[in-house]
Order: sequence, then structure tokens, then C-alpha cells
Amino acid sequence: AQKVTQAQTEISVVEKEDVTLDCVYETRDTTYYLFWYKQPPSGELVFLIRRNSFDEQNEISGRYSWNFQKSTSSFNFTITASQVVDSAVYFCALSEAGGGYQKVTFGTGTKLQVIP
Amino acid sequence: EAQVTQNPRYLITVTGKKLTVTCSQNMNHEYMSWYRQDPGLGLRQIYYSMNVEVTDKGDVPEGYKVSRKEKRNFPLILESPSPNQTSLYFCASSLQGAYGYTFGSGTRLTVV
Repeated sequence: AQKVTQAQTEISVVEKEDVTLDCVYETRDTTYYLFWYKQPPSGELVFLIRRNSFDEQNEISGRYSWNFQKSTSSFNFTITASQVVDSAVYFCALSEAGGGYQKVTFGTGTKLQVIP
Repeated sequence: EAQVTQNPRYLITVTGKKLTVTCSQNMNHEYMSWYRQDPGLGLRQIYYSMNVEVTDKGDVPEGYKVSRKEKRNFPLILESPSPNQTSLYFCASSLQGAYGYTFGSGTRLTVV
């Protein structure tokens, strides 16, 4: 069974600090996708990134970067020079090829508060 | 504008009174799904559908029904709502499951 663990329930940082959100997953499938979503205080869910299990290249998008390590089953998300607008709940998610990628398991989320 | 539209945004109802939350997408997506979000539990998948007339149970399907008669619509039906179904519900759609989902704005349901 697939499982996603986000052990950090809440994190507070001061603006301009870097912060890393952890995501650890479990799956028996060798082919799967990992995702990060952002839920700002307004409540909508915004897709940030997806990564397939065969692509371990790290990705950078502006102040955001993602570190995928199959050896430790982790897909961590780093925000560099955090800003108040980064305050949100961030969810990591997993879907397996075995389920046609339809069955998606989310972590419990990490609430990030960026203090001005 | 490409979007997933859910209605209503807020709903307060009484135990046992059947209700339907509508979901419609205008992106011609094959995949649609319903989630509920509860504090400390994250998002949990209720039902999903990969095409018209094809639906399957997610992790928490008890007490819910869905139908997919048209590609664009995927309503969530609560035949006899109970207080433990008080939650924030999200509908989502995707071209393919591996692409990531576009979510609706959410429906906050309170069952008293």
C-alpha cells in the first residue's frame, strides 16, 4: 500500500530564511509519480511539481527546489529566501502506475508560516 | 478559463437529508476524483473515475456515491449524510493521473 509521511506538522521561519519541507513515501511499485501541492490561506489547492520515479534529477524553479532521492524514499521541497506569500500548507502526494495513477495518496501536510 | 467548478461552496444540512455536490470541468479531462480534507488527516480520496461510466473507490468511500454519465461532470452524492461527513470536499480533474490534478475551490459541508 502506498503511504506518504510529512513528519513536520508546522514550521515557522522568519522571512528570507531558507526552509525545507520533508516528504517520505512508501510504495511497492517501481513506477510512480510524486507531487507537491500548495494550499494558501484562501484554501485552493495549487499544483507545484511532479516527478516520476525514473527521474532523480533535482529541479529548481525560482526560489523553489526539489530533491528526489530514491535511496531514502524522499522527495523534499526547499524554499530559498522565504517570503510571506509562501505561507501555506504544503502537501506531498504519490500515485502508482499499478493503479493507473488514479489512486493518489496525500501526506497530512506541513503548515509553513513565514513571519515578516 | 480552464477550471474545475464545484457547487455549492458552503452547505449546512441536517442528518439524513440527501444532498449532491456538483463538479464540472471544462478541460476535456479523462480523470476526475473527489477528496475530503480533515484537520490532521490531509486529503483522502473518496472516489475516482478514469472515464465515462468508469468509477472506483478510493480510501474512504463509505457513505458516498458518484456517477460519471458525462465526461465533464462528476457529482458527489451523500444519500444519508451524517455528522462525521462534515468536512471540506475537493473535486479534481486531470488529463491523465500522472499529470497532476487541477482542483476545484472546495465545498465546506457541515452536517448537524
